[in-house]
Amino acid sequence: DAGVIQSPRHEVTEMGQEVTLRCKPISGHNSLFWYRQTMMRGLELLIYFNNNVPIDDSGMPEDRFSAKMPNASFSTLKIQPSEPRDSAVYFCASSFQGDGYTFGSGTRLTVV
Amino acid sequence: EDKVVQSPLSLVVHEGDTVTLNCSYEVTNFRSLLWYKQEKKAPTFLFMLTSSGIEKKSGRLSSILDKKELFSILNITATQTGDSAIYLCAVDHSGYALNFGKGTSLLVTP
Repeated sequence: DAGVIQSPRHEVTEMGQEVTLRCKPISGHNSLFWYRQTMMRGLELLIYFNNNVPIDDSGMPEDRFSAKMPNASFSTLKIQPSEPRDSAVYFCASSFQGDGYTFGSGTRLTVV
Repeated sequence: EDKVVQSPLSLVVHEGDTVTLNCSYEVTNFRSLLWYKQEKKAPTFLFMLTSSGIEKKSGRLSSILDKKELFSILNITATQTGDSAIYLCAVDHSGYALNFGKGTSLLVTP
């Protein structure tokens, strides 16, 4: 298995632009998680899905953030409009029934 | 509010030293505690602990959980420069999502 695949690996964008991060979970995993990592706050859970349904989005910082999981093999995290304080590494992770928790390589987002 | 607190925040040791990293937690509905190692990219899994007092061991790394005192330690013996990384502690309290501590940044110098 190729593991959890995220794209792009790096994204640099201007403030106000829309940013879309993508994630392909491990095949067979039924839970998917989006995390954000910064030096100040560490790894923060933004949202997680179980069987493609959003279960808890209480970590999503603002209405500018939205996430979708249209099918079991794909999820997106969108920021619109982006702001410099959104700069961070965004990780996607997947698991099966809470087991085999595996992270993707992350997307490093820089908003200038 | 659920909390996972790691200490120290950072640590510098010489090769060959033994280090102990700490993780304390306050969560409802505890299921398990996990340790991860993060080098340049994604966190990679080290251990999952669910029962008190049972040591998990992998090479020079070992970990134990105390569910009464709500903490775990991660020991690394005979440290090597390749052990330099951020070590993350996380608690599973929902059966789905993990609540992470801020990590301990370990630097092992030659």
